[in-house]
Amino acid sequence: GDSVTQMEGPVTLSEEAFLTINCTYTATGYPSLFWYVQYPGEGLQLLLKATKADDKGSNKGFEATYRKETTSFHLEKGSVQVSDSAVYFCALRLNQGGKLIFGQGTELSVKP
Amino acid sequence: KAGVTQTPRYLIKTRGQQVTLSCSPISGHRSVSWYQQTPGQGLQFLFEYFSETQRNKGNFPGRFSGRQFSNSRSEMNVSTLELGDSALYLCASSFGGALNTEAFFGQGTRLTVV
Repeated sequence: GDSVTQMEGPVTLSEEAFLTINCTYTATGYPSLFWYVQYPGEGLQLLLKATKADDKGSNKGFEATYRKETTSFHLEKGSVQVSDSAVYFCALRLNQGGKLIFGQGTELSVKP
Repeated sequence: KAGVTQTPRYLIKTRGQQVTLSCSPISGHRSVSWYQQTPGQGLQFLFEYFSETQRNKGNFPGRFSGRQFSNSRSEMNVSTLELGDSALYLCASSFGGALNTEAFFGQGTRLTVV
């Protein structure tokens, strides 16, 4: 079935380090892809999205490119900050209904 | 504009009871989806309502039900609560539920079943 797989956490980085969180998907059609972030005690916030192959989503220094050939949507940031500490979720949507399929989440902890 | 509002934020219920959670979407949004978040299972889709009709349903037992009102507000009901229903329940609203439409999430209702 349709699914999303993320690299396991927690990921611990020093401030200003480079971040990559891997995300791969399995889908029967052509999904839209999303990265959401969840801060402690909060709901999910959309970080970025991409709707077709080779699209690059970007926001707040984070980037991810929709790679159809490798079915991947890896999240990257060149220089992380302590305030980026949160749980990051990769997700896909396949059809017009609101259903999002999420990965298991990757906890990121950034140390000063 | 106001975001997605979920009430209550916290609930403690006893096994066997039933519970109703409420979600008020962003003004103008017609699609409301519900998700269950647990440490073991992650984020799982419960159902989606669009213009008062259930449009999608996840793989949850019939004890989980929902509805949507004409003002797009939605309620979710869980009957005969089990310990395993303890979770964070998240509601998300979007304008139309199109493939690339952003879903805006509420802060969730933390349900604890004892």
